[in-house]
Amino acid sequence: GNSVTQMEGPVTLSEEAFLTINCTYTATGYPSLFWYVQYPGEGLQLLLKATKADDKGSNKGFEATYRKETTSFHLEKGSVQVSDSAVYFCALSGKAAGNKLTFGGGTRVLVKP
Amino acid sequence: ETGVTQTPRHLVMGMTNKKSLKCEQHLGHNAMYWYKQSAKKPLELMFVYSLEERVENNSVPSRFSPECPNSSHLFLHLHTLQPEDSALYLCASSQDDRGTDTQYFGPGTRLTVL
Repeated sequence: GNSVTQMEGPVTLSEEAFLTINCTYTATGYPSLFWYVQYPGEGLQLLLKATKADDKGSNKGFEATYRKETTSFHLEKGSVQVSDSAVYFCALSGKAAGNKLTFGGGTRVLVKP
Repeated sequence: ETGVTQTPRHLVMGMTNKKSLKCEQHLGHNAMYWYKQSAKKPLELMFVYSLEERVENNSVPSRFSPECPNSSHLFLHLHTLQPEDSALYLCASSQDDRGTDTQYFGPGTRLTVL
């Protein structure tokens, strides 16, 4: 079946540091890939997505590229802010799994001033 | 009001109580979802409704009973819960239940079962 593996946190960074959160997946067929973010006390929000190989999703300074050859969708941001402190979830969805979203375990990121 | 709303935001109940969680979406979507988010576990999909028909029931115990009276509203009826059911319950909606559709989440209901 489908699965998503992402690095465990917490990840603690200083403001303006470079952030990478690794995400790899296992899936049949060609899934769509997503990054969701959950700020404290809130639900999940879509951060970015990519629906086919080599697509790059980007939003709010975050980027992730759909790498089929390495089955990865790593999230990056060049210069983080305190307001980026949140839990980040990698997810996939595909026809082979009935179009359900399968989530990774989440990575907590803490950005210190 | 826009987006996906959930009420109540917090709920404390005993194991013999009956309560309901409510979700409402103002996005004109056709699909709605219930998820359970527990500490240190991945999000678990519980139920999926598409055009008010239940299309997914992920082996959820019968003490959780969903209801979708129309495409804008989704309920989760709770009865005789266990302490391990304490979690954040998230509702989401999407245009349809295709894999590429973005799901929009509500803020969740924090449930504590005593």
